[in-house]
Amino acid sequence: SQTIHQWPATLVQPVGSPLSLECTVEGTSNPNLYWYRQAAGRGLQLLFYSVGIGQISSEVPQNLSASRPQDRQFILSSKKLLLSDSGFYLCAWSPGHGSYEQYFGPGTRLTVT
Amino acid sequence: GDSVTQMEGPVTLSEEAFLTINCTYTATGYPSLFWYVQYPGEGLQLLLKATKADDKGSNKGFEATYRKETTSFHLEKGSVQVSDSAVYFCALDNNNDMRFGAGTRLTVKP
Repeated sequence: SQTIHQWPATLVQPVGSPLSLECTVEGTSNPNLYWYRQAAGRGLQLLFYSVGIGQISSEVPQNLSASRPQDRQFILSSKKLLLSDSGFYLCAWSPGHGSYEQYFGPGTRLTVT
Repeated sequence: GDSVTQMEGPVTLSEEAFLTINCTYTATGYPSLFWYVQYPGEGLQLLLKATKADDKGSNKGFEATYRKETTSFHLEKGSVQVSDSAVYFCALDNNNDMRFGAGTRLTVKP
């Protein structure tokens, strides 16, 4: 069966510090991968998605970036965090190839102080 | 573009009450429809789905029917439990373009 991991589970970082959040998927190959942000009490905002290694699409302009160095690894980064980057970050995967339901990881709670 | 609109919460019910959370969508073509549930501090879990008109998705006592004529996918449960307290998201996927509703918080009181 497929599983999706995210780490860390929680993170407190000062403004201006760098960020690296990691997401890995097991039990499948060539998945579509997604990064979402969920602000407190709000819905989901799609940040990035990837259909393959090195292929990243950005949905909104921001100071975040994403990379996919391996087939089942998706990394969310920032060089300098802003207060507004605080939120709950969710990674998700979908099988692709006509099947697009998404399966979510447990999330990372980021607080920028 | 495609969009999903779901009823605003919060919704508060007593245990064993009947639940309806309304969801309507706007989309071109033939999207797939989903309900996700998010328990406190966790990621979203796929609750049920329907991929074509008149399909009924069901899971854990929850049901939703894909109604193309009314562009709706309302979530229902006949008898809610305290453990159903969570945020529920309606979503559609149209050729790998997933759109989520804003979420509806459900609180079930004993």
